[in-house]
Amino acid sequence: NAGVTQTPKFQVLKTGQSMTLQCAQDMNHEYMSWYRQDPGMGLRLIHYSVGAGITDQGEVPNGYNVSRSTTEDFPLRLLSAAPSQTSVYFCASRLIGTGGETQYFGPGTRLLVL
Amino acid sequence: GNSVTQMEGPVTLSEEAFLTINCTYTATGYPSLFWYVQYPGEGLQLLLKATKADDKGSNKGFEATYRKETTSFHLEKGSVQVSDSAVYFCALSGGAGGTSYGKLTFGQGTILTVHP
Repeated sequence: NAGVTQTPKFQVLKTGQSMTLQCAQDMNHEYMSWYRQDPGMGLRLIHYSVGAGITDQGEVPNGYNVSRSTTEDFPLRLLSAAPSQTSVYFCASRLIGTGGETQYFGPGTRLLVL
Repeated sequence: GNSVTQMEGPVTLSEEAFLTINCTYTATGYPSLFWYVQYPGEGLQLLLKATKADDKGSNKGFEATYRKETTSFHLEKGSVQVSDSAVYFCALSGGAGGTSYGKLTFGQGTILTVHP
């Protein structure tokens, strides 16, 4: 199992550009989520999904879109990047139900918006 | 809503010293509690967890006990190693029910540096 994979590892954008951060998992987990990590603030939930076709907002959803067309993939889209979106982004997944307490994290995508 | 407060860092220790990282939480009901560790340049890994009051989670020499009376989940290790240098996050999920399953609420993280 590859676990949770994320691409790219690092990206530089100009203000106003758009991009998609990719996330995939091969563990057949129903639940997937996106977090951003900023210094001194821990990780904050952006969006999450409990299955294909179902998404919902987390704590800091503004400026981000998600979709979940398959169980495996959960891309995060920035439609018009802003410097405030400079951060490290982590994707995570877990089972729902018995034995599903543990979330598995990807290695992260470091994003710099100029 | 749920919240997690960790002791301010960074924490710098010598090898074989005793480690405590304090974590307190606010949540209704009975949340599950976690410690995650992030090594340099990597994602987060689950270090240990406890799902009900008085449970003790343990892994790799680290321990934490779920104390509902003090709403705490302090991380301890009796003898740290250089390889323990990382960022440690306390987190909780669940609590009062609803659709909160799977949503982790994190503390701000504590940077630990261990010197030889």
